[in-house]
Amino acid sequence: KNQVEQSPQSLIILEGKNCTLQCNYTVSPFSNLRWYKQDTGRGPVSLTIMTFSENTKSNGRYTATLDADTKQSSLHITASQLSDSASYICVVSVGGANNLFFGTGTRLTVIP
Amino acid sequence: DAGVTQSPTHLIKTRGQQVTLRCSPKSGHDTVSWYQQALGQGPQFIFQYYEEEERQRGNFPDRFSGHQFPNYSSELNVNALLLGDSALYLCASRAPKTSYGYTFGSGTRLTVV
Repeated sequence: KNQVEQSPQSLIILEGKNCTLQCNYTVSPFSNLRWYKQDTGRGPVSLTIMTFSENTKSNGRYTATLDADTKQSSLHITASQLSDSASYICVVSVGGANNLFFGTGTRLTVIP
Repeated sequence: DAGVTQSPTHLIKTRGQQVTLRCSPKSGHDTVSWYQQALGQGPQFIFQYYEEEERQRGNFPDRFSGHQFPNYSSELNVNALLLGDSALYLCASRAPKTSYGYTFGSGTRLTVV
């Protein structure tokens, strides 16, 4: 069964601290994995996208890693800011098809 | 270059009514997918339109229907609204012949009372 699981479900950190969000998937055949940031009531905004051959990709303070062998990905946020408070969703795409499999997200709250 | 545009942003309907949500894809994109996102949940795939036809469908009843126009814009129609249809409805578009570059709109928040 194609599934995407994220952990933790929620996380509270102090402004300026780093954090790492996890994503495990069983989707097959794998095409690509994306991390999205979603503010409450808004649509998801893409942070990174990685294909099978990529194991790390950065976008400013966001760095995503991918281990296609263990089917795990992480999103590392450095020097967190209050505006980083949002849900972070891991989305895996099936190869050759149109389906996206969404994780349920990690709700990050950055406090001053 | 505008991204994916959805309208309206918010909508309140009563049970049993019908609703139409609209989506304009990002320039250069030809495929449109619709998702339903309940509060605190991940998006659930409703259906996808390409070349003005429904190509794939998720586990949603026939009350959910759609349409794609020649300019690639799309509509989502929901008939006989239920309280459980209250959700954020997201539209996503992508470029031709790729699963790489999905772009999401900001969504339409539908509340059924």
